[in-house]
Amino acid sequence: GAGVSQSPSNKVTEKGKDVELRCDPISGHTALYWYRQRLGQGLEFLIYFQGNSAPDKSGLPSDRFSAERTGESVSTLTIQRTQQEDSAVYLCASSIEGNYEQYFGPGTRLTVT
Amino acid sequence: GNSVTQMEGPVTLSEEAFLTINCTYTATGYPSLFWYVQYPGEGLQLLLKATKADDKGSNKGFEATYRKETTSFHLEKGSVQVSDSAVYFCALSDPYTGGFKTIFGAGTRLFVKA
Repeated sequence: GAGVSQSPSNKVTEKGKDVELRCDPISGHTALYWYRQRLGQGLEFLIYFQGNSAPDKSGLPSDRFSAERTGESVSTLTIQRTQQEDSAVYLCASSIEGNYEQYFGPGTRLTVT
Repeated sequence: GNSVTQMEGPVTLSEEAFLTINCTYTATGYPSLFWYVQYPGEGLQLLLKATKADDKGSNKGFEATYRKETTSFHLEKGSVQVSDSAVYFCALSDPYTGGFKTIFGAGTRLFVKA
């Protein structure tokens, strides 16, 4: 079946602009995760959704970052007033509730100029 | 808090060589342990996992044993191939202390030469 998809695959934006990143999880997966991967570094947890609620937002780096999920499906990660340090690959993953195996999307590469 | 430490790369091996990538963890509970792999141009995918002490995860010729006494989960393969060139991430998840957050190591890049 279809895997996790993310869009856009690449996004170049000017400093100070807002961006929206989209994630479509695997159908039936109730858990959804967002991570950030800076160049040459590991994955940094951002936020976790169980259904449409976010019990763990502890990884969001600042109030410029927000995320929502609707219909236990699509999720959007919004970064307001982007800064150069936001440049990274943003990864989305989904998993079946209670199962910790995560299935990752291909990521969105964000470049802030 | 929970953490994962894995050996720095890059690791460069010749085809058919033995591979070990070290991973140690710190956790207050009883975590599940994972190895994920990221092939060039592709997304991360689960390679193997172990959910309790002494479990051995295995897949595609790779193995890792959950060692609670040494808090380790080293990845091994007896004979690597060029197609194994990728970045390997060790990770842990502990629902009793860390919720559904998965903690990833920094990744180890493996290059296999023909």
